[in-house]
Amino acid sequence: EPEVTQTPSHQVTQMGQEVILRCVPISNHLYFYWYRQILGQKVEFLVSFYNNEISEKSEIFDDQFSVERPDGSNFTLKIRSTKLEDSAMYFCASNPGDQTDNEQFFGPGTRLTVL
Amino acid sequence: DQQVKQNSPSLSVQEGRISILNCDYTNSMFDYFLWYKKYPAEGPTFLISISSIKDKNEDGRFTVFLNKSAKHLSLHIVPSQPGDSAVYFCAASAYLIQGAQKLVFGQGTRLTINP
Repeated sequence: EPEVTQTPSHQVTQMGQEVILRCVPISNHLYFYWYRQILGQKVEFLVSFYNNEISEKSEIFDDQFSVERPDGSNFTLKIRSTKLEDSAMYFCASNPGDQTDNEQFFGPGTRLTVL
Repeated sequence: DQQVKQNSPSLSVQEGRISILNCDYTNSMFDYFLWYKKYPAEGPTFLISISSIKDKNEDGRFTVFLNKSAKHLSLHIVPSQPGDSAVYFCAASAYLIQGAQKLVFGQGTRLTINP
């Protein structure tokens, strides 16, 4: 069964460094998302992406964040200058965009630790 | 942001009995509701969903009930099995522009099934 994959599973970085989190969505899906979950808190929407552009972003998704689909398979989240409070699990998700199939399929997540 | 609330952080149920997980929402624009199951160190896994035009959806041992007037939904698992032990998230969505969805999650309920 096709699945969303994410790399790395765990990323440790120093505050102020740039990180890129990578995702490979399910191949025939058209809509891509990033969510995050800070330890002990809710899963929060960050951004949605369709047709090579951002559809919506949350207030968390400030100028330090960017997303890109550099080729036909990868979907990346970049944090330019990480802060301590960026430490969280980051989940990528995708869905086909067919209105008969509304569920989003999530990857296993990347645990980002900012020191 | 308390648009989706799961008021019970944990629930313990005897194996074979019914598990009932509850979720309340405040935003009348939500038109689709989903339940996800999450194990530690994994991403959320889709379980079952319901459109706002229905009041019940059933899939095997899982049934979701939607009461729009009360802005309440519940997930019934019967019979409960030890493998059902996980954190269950309720999520709601409203279509964004271009058909993208933004999922708004509840805080989660940790379900423990006791043998």
